[in-house]
Amino acid sequence: QSQLRESGPGLVKPSETLSLTCSVSGDSISSSRYYWGWLRQAPGEGLDWIGTVYYTGNTYYNPSVRRRVAVSIDTPRNQFSLQLTSVTAADTAVYYCARHVPNVGGWYRGPNYFDSWGQGILVTVSS
Amino acid sequence: SALTQPRSVSGSLGQSVTISCTGTSSDVGNHDYVSWYQQHPGKAPKLIIYDVNKRPSGVPDRFSGSKSGNTASLTISGLQAEDEADFYCCSYILDYDFVFGSGTKVTVL
Repeated sequence: QSQLRESGPGLVKPSETLSLTCSVSGDSISSSRYYWGWLRQAPGEGLDWIGTVYYTGNTYYNPSVRRRVAVSIDTPRNQFSLQLTSVTAADTAVYYCARHVPNVGGWYRGPNYFDSWGQGILVTVSS
Repeated sequence: SALTQPRSVSGSLGQSVTISCTGTSSDVGNHDYVSWYQQHPGKAPKLIIYDVNKRPSGVPDRFSGSKSGNTASLTISGLQAEDEADFYCCSYILDYDFVFGSGTKVTVL
């Protein structure tokens, strides 16, 4: 089972860029077996998927943040990262990284469910 | 928009509770790529059901999933004190998009 750990600043100013890194152990991020995703949870709210990256560099984003988000992969360091630009108070949340398991068989072969999660990191957007 | 779940459900120890997750023919009703997550306060979510009704290794068999039309359901049979948590459903949407449910708080009486 993969171990994932988020890291990055806990405080970001409005209009600036939020940058987080997820370090993966127990699995090679350059393997074709899994995708790697970012999710978030605003205080007292539900879960939201942000985006997912594959070892090829292919990315998939939630349409609600697509214009502001970039997820990238760093295979030598076995890490993947999230960048969210032009943040506002609405981006205040606990951010999770997770292993995104692909579907096997059937008509759909892309990412499906999240089976390993990091502990989460609270990012507050405030001046 | 988020899949619709009841805000809360409750049951006594040993009883069964069912949580519904209602979507549309574009998501829940279109395929079997529905998963469920359990989240205890202050903790990361944990996968308990995937592909509508499959349980990952280590998840107790008192957790079961099903689907009918546009509604998926999670049933907890033989409710235990440690089952008190928030539960979220998640569905794949076409074109590599994913939507979560609004979340249900399960209270063990």
